[in-house]
Amino acid sequence: DARVTQTPRHKVTEMGQEVTMRCQPILGHNTVFWYRQTMMQGLELLAYFRNRAPLDDSGMPKDRFSAEMPDATLATLKIQPSEPRDSAVYFCASGFSLVTGTRGLQETQYFGPGTRLLVL
Amino acid sequence: GQQLNQSPQSMFIQEGEDVSMNCTSSSIFNTWLWYKQEPGEGPVLLIALYKAGELTSNGRLTAQFGITRKDSFLNISASIPSDVGIYFCAGATGNQFYFGTGTSLTVIP
Repeated sequence: DARVTQTPRHKVTEMGQEVTMRCQPILGHNTVFWYRQTMMQGLELLAYFRNRAPLDDSGMPKDRFSAEMPDATLATLKIQPSEPRDSAVYFCASGFSLVTGTRGLQETQYFGPGTRLLVL
Repeated sequence: GQQLNQSPQSMFIQEGEDVSMNCTSSSIFNTWLWYKQEPGEGPVLLIALYKAGELTSNGRLTAQFGITRKDSFLNISASIPSDVGIYFCAGATGNQFYFGTGTSLTVIP
């Protein structure tokens, strides 16, 4: 049963520290998403990759957040420096996008279990 | 970002009752997805819909892709206590996913 895996599952850190979250997408999927979930804002898209290329990171605070896909089996989300307002659950999701012409047709999306981040 | 209008926001029902929830948008979507999220877990994909008018079932769950492509509904028949959770709809277009605000379902035994 293929699943998206995320590490760590929980992270408590002090303000100012660097946080790195990792995600292993489902083998064969060509899209990876990073979301942040809070009670107030719900699910917010932070970054989106297709075939390892970043397509959209407009939802991500550029000054402190960065997302990369060093290879097809690993996606990372870093926060440096972290702030208390970054406390949330961060989800990675992977899927398969069938691209037709200039408009992609996103077919599906499977979520990982999330990383629960608390910044003190 | 853009969010879908999902209703109702919460439901409290007796075990055995049927449940219906829906999502609407002012935008047209190519794909509709329905997820269930339980406390401490990530959203789990329940049903995916790819064509306007499509009606798809997954056990006691049935979902439909609206003809106008701007809405979708999810029905749960004969609810059981383990159906408890938050149900999210998601619409996809142009490589983007947009999520509803969620319907919190409580099933009373």
